[in-house]
Amino acid sequence: SQTIHQWPATLVQPVGSPLSLECTVEGTSNPNLYWYRQAAGRGLQLLFYSVGIGQISSEVPQNLSASRPQDRQFILSSKKLLLSDSGFYLCALDRGWPEAFFGQGTRLTVV
Amino acid sequence: DQQVKQNSPSLSVQEGRISILNCDYTNSMFDYFLWYKKYPAEGPTFLISISSIKDKNEDGRFTVFLNKSAKHLSLHIVPSQPGDSAVYFCAAPHKAGGGATNKLIFGTGTLLAVQP
Repeated sequence: SQTIHQWPATLVQPVGSPLSLECTVEGTSNPNLYWYRQAAGRGLQLLFYSVGIGQISSEVPQNLSASRPQDRQFILSSKKLLLSDSGFYLCALDRGWPEAFFGQGTRLTVV
Repeated sequence: DQQVKQNSPSLSVQEGRISILNCDYTNSMFDYFLWYKKYPAEGPTFLISISSIKDKNEDGRFTVFLNKSAKHLSLHIVPSQPGDSAVYFCAAPHKAGGGATNKLIFGTGTLLAVQP
């Protein structure tokens, strides 16, 4: 069965510091991968998606970037965090159309 | 432009009664809708879905109704149980730019509290 590993589960970072969140998946090959964010009081917003190694599409302009160095690895990064980057970050993959399967998420607090 | 809207941020229901969660959408091109359930500090889990060619889909205690003319869907939980207490998100797949991915557009969620 498919599994998604996200770490860390929680993270507190100062404004201006860099960020790297990692997502790895198991039980599937060549998956479509997604990064979503849930900001306080808001729904889940799609940030990036990737259909293959090195292929990244951005959905909204922001302070973040994504990379896919390996088939089952998806990384979310920032060079300098902003307060507005705080939120709950979720990695997801396709589980048949149109269902998305989510990881357990990372709670990021920028202070 | 919020294409999927959940106008009720919270709902409180007594155990054993019916919970009705509502969702409205603006994009008439949406052809599938999903409901997700989310506990605090966890990722959302898929609950139930409905194709736009149907007006009802049932799975155990959960039923989703779709009214295309009104661009409205609702999730009914009968009977409600304390373990159903969670945030429920309505979502629709976004196909603009190619349909090869499951890019989902989510509503803002409704927090359901089922009182024992």
